[in-house]
Amino acid sequence: GAGVSQTPSNKVTEKGKYVELRCDPISGHTALYWYRQSLGQGPEFLIYFQGTGAADDSGLPNDRFFAVRPEGSVSTLKIQRTERGDSAVYLCASSPSRERGYTFGSGTRLTVV
Amino acid sequence: GDSVTQMEGPVTLSEEAFLTINCTYTATGYPSLFWYVQYPGEGLQLLLKATKADDKGSNKGFEATYRKETTSFHLEKGSVQVSDSAVYFCALMTGRRALTFGSGTRLQVQP
Repeated sequence: GAGVSQTPSNKVTEKGKYVELRCDPISGHTALYWYRQSLGQGPEFLIYFQGTGAADDSGLPNDRFFAVRPEGSVSTLKIQRTERGDSAVYLCASSPSRERGYTFGSGTRLTVV
Repeated sequence: GDSVTQMEGPVTLSEEAFLTINCTYTATGYPSLFWYVQYPGEGLQLLLKATKADDKGSNKGFEATYRKETTSFHLEKGSVQVSDSAVYFCALMTGRRALTFGSGTRLQVQP
């Protein structure tokens, strides 16, 4: 597609439930990033994929968070046993190379009630 | 670790006023520097960037100069418009390839 697509755009879930957030990057972009943006804050890095592998997952807050990119294109961010503090906008971005910067998706707003 | 500090908002200006949003950074090595903009209801968009000291990034009338000696990348525009109302984020990228963002500055331009 023309841009980075994230689905769903909004997700409301109950505390303790499992959620999956999907990111469809721009075709041909080998690098894919997940960020989390809490209200009134800047985005915080979660994980970076180069191709199929996670090149840097140092931003994942704990082991309830996991992400995959099995074929080097679509990525899924998975959150187990959700907590109210996980409520945020989850942003995905893709890039063909460092020099050309990122293109961000519109994000998934996750609300844990 | 890497960090970015931006002036707190909101910044409220009248149309055609001069804009400065301050940004300073702390980083190991030589980062690339960016300004991103988030318009109401839209996703983050790259506004401009600079990859080395003394470079000036510019776009849509906005400018920022990479100042290594003061570790700053202040955003400026000579004459703002109502359509510039948005949240502006300063960010840096090091060899780690992940962007580190500031907390954002909300700009409100009044007619």
